[in-house]
Amino acid sequence: SQTIHQWPATLVQPVGSPLSLECTVEGTSNPNLYWYRQAAGRGLQLLFYSVGIGQISSEVPQNLSASRPQDRQFILSSKKLLLSDSGFYLCAWRKTGPYEQYFGPGTRLTVT
Amino acid sequence: GEDVEQSLFLSVREGDSSVINCTYTDSSSTYLYWYKQEPGAGLQLLTYIFSNMDMKQDQRLTVLLNKKDKHLSLRIADTQTGDSAIYFCAEKIGGGGNKLTFGTGTQLKVEL
Repeated sequence: SQTIHQWPATLVQPVGSPLSLECTVEGTSNPNLYWYRQAAGRGLQLLFYSVGIGQISSEVPQNLSASRPQDRQFILSSKKLLLSDSGFYLCAWRKTGPYEQYFGPGTRLTVT
Repeated sequence: GEDVEQSLFLSVREGDSSVINCTYTDSSSTYLYWYKQEPGAGLQLLTYIFSNMDMKQDQRLTVLLNKKDKHLSLRIADTQTGDSAIYFCAEKIGGGGNKLTFGTGTQLKVEL
């Protein structure tokens, strides 16, 4: 069966510090991968998606970047965090078939 | 546009049925989904419906789709306290990456 992991689970970082969030998927190959941010107001905002190694599409211009160094690894990064980067970051992968996405447990980021 | 709208809150008594509604704007959507999010957790896929269907039933869950009105609903029969969560509808949108657009979420509160 497939599982998706995210770490860390929670993170408190000062403004201006770098960021690296990691997402890995087990039990599948060549998945589509997605990064979302969920702000306090609840809605999900798609940040990046990837259809393969080294292939990243950005949905929203921002302070963040993403990379996919391996087939089942997706990394969200920032060189300098802003207060507005605070939120709940969710990674998801897509299964072949009816396009449904499966989500990881999320990372709660607080920028102070 | 690709907006998906939901009411923010719903409160029901334990044992009653809950109906969560969603409207979407992309008439070319092929799949529509319902996800559940418990506090501090990722999103859990509950069910999905293909656009050529009017209804789908899965145990206590019934999904109704009205394509003419672009209206999707999720009915939960015999609602339990464990059903308290935020429920998101989502639609598959066009373009690359097999992306989903999520609604703003409906917070369901089940009272004793």
